[in-house]
Amino acid sequence: DAGVTQSPTHLIKTRGQHVTLRCSPISGHKSVSWYQQVLGQGPQFIFQYYEKEERGRGNFPDRFSARQFPNYSSELNVNALLLGDSALYLCASSLAGQGYNSPLHFGNGTRLTVT
Amino acid sequence: QKEVEQDPGPLSVPEGAIVSLNCTYSNSAFQYFMWYRQYSRKGPELLMYTYSSGNKEDGRFTAQVDKSSKYISLFIRDSQPSDSATYLCALTSGGTSYGKLTFGQGTILTVHP
Repeated sequence: DAGVTQSPTHLIKTRGQHVTLRCSPISGHKSVSWYQQVLGQGPQFIFQYYEKEERGRGNFPDRFSARQFPNYSSELNVNALLLGDSALYLCASSLAGQGYNSPLHFGNGTRLTVT
Repeated sequence: QKEVEQDPGPLSVPEGAIVSLNCTYSNSAFQYFMWYRQYSRKGPELLMYTYSSGNKEDGRFTAQVDKSSKYISLFIRDSQPSDSATYLCALTSGGTSYGKLTFGQGTILTVHP
């Protein structure tokens, strides 16, 4: 079975630009979460979506937004990129909300570099 | 004060050693506890998952939770060079907040032959 897939794997953008990152959850998983991992730190929670609705938001500015599609895939959008947005962006899926308190399974992330 | 504290190491041990990794937390709402392993340039991989105080064993790995002390541990027996990675503890209160994990900083482990 395919795990969580993310695209692209690497991305280089310039300050002020916009970026869209994509995620496909494990088949059957309806919950998707996004995390930012800066080098040398643990991942930081950005968003959780379940059944296309936002169920949680971390302490990130409004430049960060996300959405979930009917097939449960998800996009993370970041506007007006700053140098500090350079990080590994991780997507995770789980059966959470479907009657299970199941753990999150992560993809390999998109490494974003802002120059 | 961070909600979850984890010694970043780095930790270097010889092959075959017993490794102990630890996290402390301050929020008593945390009810579910996970350990992830992250290799370089990869996403975190789930190792252990538990929700009660006590020990849970899976092969060479043992997760230990002490809710009264707000302290969790991961023990690795007979460590192998392939165990060299960053180990992350992750906690959540569950329920509607289940998708929100709070991670420790991660401990970098190197097991040398």
